Amino acid sequence: TQLLEQSPQFLSIQEGENLTVYCNSSSVFSSLQWYRQEPGEGPVLLVTVVTGGEVKKLKRLTFQFGDARKDSSLHITAAQPGDTGLYLCAGGTGTASKLTFGTGTRLQVTL
Amino acid sequence: NAGVMQNPRHLVRRRGQEARLRCSPMKGHSHVYWYRQLPEEGLKFMVYLQKENIIDESGMPKERFSAEFPKEGPSILRIQQVVRGDSAAYFCASSQYGLTFTDTQYFGPGTRLTVL
Repeated sequence: TQLLEQSPQFLSIQEGENLTVYCNSSSVFSSLQWYRQEPGEGPVLLVTVVTGGEVKKLKRLTFQFGDARKDSSLHITAAQPGDTGLYLCAGGTGTASKLTFGTGTRLQVTL
Repeated sequence: NAGVMQNPRHLVRRRGQEARLRCSPMKGHSHVYWYRQLPEEGLKFMVYLQKENIIDESGMPKERFSAEFPKEGPSILRIQQVVRGDSAAYFCASSQYGLTFTDTQYFGPGTRLTVL
């Protein structure tokens, strides 16, 4: 069974701080996706990484896929209250279509 | 282009009743996935369907749960004789090509099922 562990589970920071969320597994994934989910809504895709060592930037968010494609990180620079939400990583394998979701990191950014 | 639509958004059932959850994929998408999210947990894959076919149901409980995606109309997730443990948010996602390596799954807003 493929498992994705995220850390930390909860994170409460003040506006302007930086943070990193980790997504780790003992399994290899062919793609790794990051989603953000707000209360009462479905997950919204932020980014997909497919190459080991790949780094993608989305404004203040930086995503990295581990060299061995077993782990990923999400770094947010100068967090804002609008970044508040549940961050989920999800791994995909080449021949299967289902996504394996991580345990989630709940982020709260306060003024 | 409308996104993935799910209805109802909230559904309340008593133990023993049936629950029917509907999902209309994005226009042009023929691949549908159902996931379940228990409170304070991540999403768990249930089933993957293409039009008129179940491709992967490895995450679906063996009893009481069924899914279909007919040629015409929305995908339906059906839960018979619901129990309190079925209370969860059920999300539908759709994609164009059906491979996670190159494809994106777009999620609907979910149906929140409460079993009394």
